[in-house]
Amino acid sequence: SYELTQPPSVSVSPGQTASITCSGDKLGDKYVCWYQQRPGQSPVVVLYEDNKRPSGIPERFSGSNSGNTATLTISGTQAMDEADYYCQTWDSGTAVFGGGTKLTVL
Amino acid sequence: EVRLVESGGGLVQPGGSLRLSCAASGFIYRSFWMTWVRQAPGKGLEWVASIKGDGSEKYYGDSVKGRFTISRDNAKNSLYLQMNSLRVEDTAVFYCTRDRMVYATGDRWFDPWGQGSPVTVSS
Repeated sequence: SYELTQPPSVSVSPGQTASITCSGDKLGDKYVCWYQQRPGQSPVVVLYEDNKRPSGIPERFSGSNSGNTATLTISGTQAMDEADYYCQTWDSGTAVFGGGTKLTVL
Repeated sequence: EVRLVESGGGLVQPGGSLRLSCAASGFIYRSFWMTWVRQAPGKGLEWVASIKGDGSEKYYGDSVKGRFTISRDNAKNSLYLQMNSLRVEDTAVFYCTRDRMVYATGDRWFDPWGQGSPVTVSS
């Protein structure tokens, strides 16, 4: 079965740029979306189609996807961005989630 | 406003059954695929099952295939998940989500998500 791999944790200082990676076999041939889950809350999509932001998602969220790796980038990270982030794609009609990355804003 | 409200969760013994419901509002329900996603305590997200707008297609994750059944009632704007032969490892918060699609590209994602319904399988 298809697998997506994310680092368990990423730390960033306020105002700096955070990058969260998501790896999978030929992932660049698929579309990837990213979800943010703050503690005690339901997930919210922050990017779809690799790099498109839904309405209401700040411009500091951006994404890329090429080769075997998709990347979520948060520019000018704020304290409110501290959350778990999950990448997700589809493979053979099955939705696949990455294991999640805890973003800590120190 | 699009709203998804789950109900029906609770405590059940191993081997038992439970039926989750999700009430949808604020959009043309019959036009959308709907999905259940679960999250075990302290763990990540796991796709459970998806159903097409007219109910004609259903897909399941390997861990629940043969035990769980997804269904919908478009007249009631409701989504269901019948869970049988429950196991301790099925303990999770179950989220109801709406599928969003870009038919031109084939991309598909989940938005929005309900607040979740906790299910605990324990003796």
